Amino acid sequence: NAGVTQTPKFRVLKTGQSMTLLCAQDMNHEYMYWYRQDPGMGLRLIHYSVGEGTTAKGEVPDGYNVSRLKKQNFLLGLESAAPSQTSVYFCASSSDGSGANVLTFGAGSRLTVL
Amino acid sequence: GQNIDQPTEMTATEGAIVQINCTYQTSGFNGLFWYQQHAGEAPTFLSYNVLDGLEEKGRFSSFLSRSKGYSYLLLKELQMKDSASYLCAAMDSNYQLIWGAGTKLIIKP
Repeated sequence: NAGVTQTPKFRVLKTGQSMTLLCAQDMNHEYMYWYRQDPGMGLRLIHYSVGEGTTAKGEVPDGYNVSRLKKQNFLLGLESAAPSQTSVYFCASSSDGSGANVLTFGAGSRLTVL
Repeated sequence: GQNIDQPTEMTATEGAIVQINCTYQTSGFNGLFWYQQHAGEAPTFLSYNVLDGLEEKGRFSSFLSRSKGYSYLLLKELQMKDSASYLCAAMDSNYQLIWGAGTKLIIKP
């Protein structure tokens, strides 16, 4: 049981380049999330999805797009990377969005934008 | 605004007890979570409190006071493997998680 798998684990981009981060989960979870984690700050929600074919904006959505074409996959795209998007990105999933909603996180993707 | 405060760093000795505090301000409240994150790894779930009081789970316990907007994580019989960051997160009325910046716990022999 792999849980939540993120690819790639590391990536270096030049300003203006585009890329896609892939998240896959094998737990049949409805909810999926993309967070970024920066030094000295809490996890910040970029986008999330409450089910296949749905997406919604989180706290810091600008500069990112997402798609959830299949229930098990949640893609995060950067159309034109900027140095401010240098961060560690975590994907997470949960069975639902209710109170006792435990998130299962992927191992993270470290992105550097030069 | 919504806010979570927790200490940036704490140091403790192997075998001892440490308490990591967290205060929160949210629009509504649907529970308080603690996650553990080892350096370079993913956060993993430790505990969830929605009612006042202490929840004990092995060496780890978590306490919640809703009236004070306060929680703490208590770690007993500290082991070197407990060296990690501990993330506090509160769930608001929209079931959105508000995360603290984390407390880095350093365990010394």
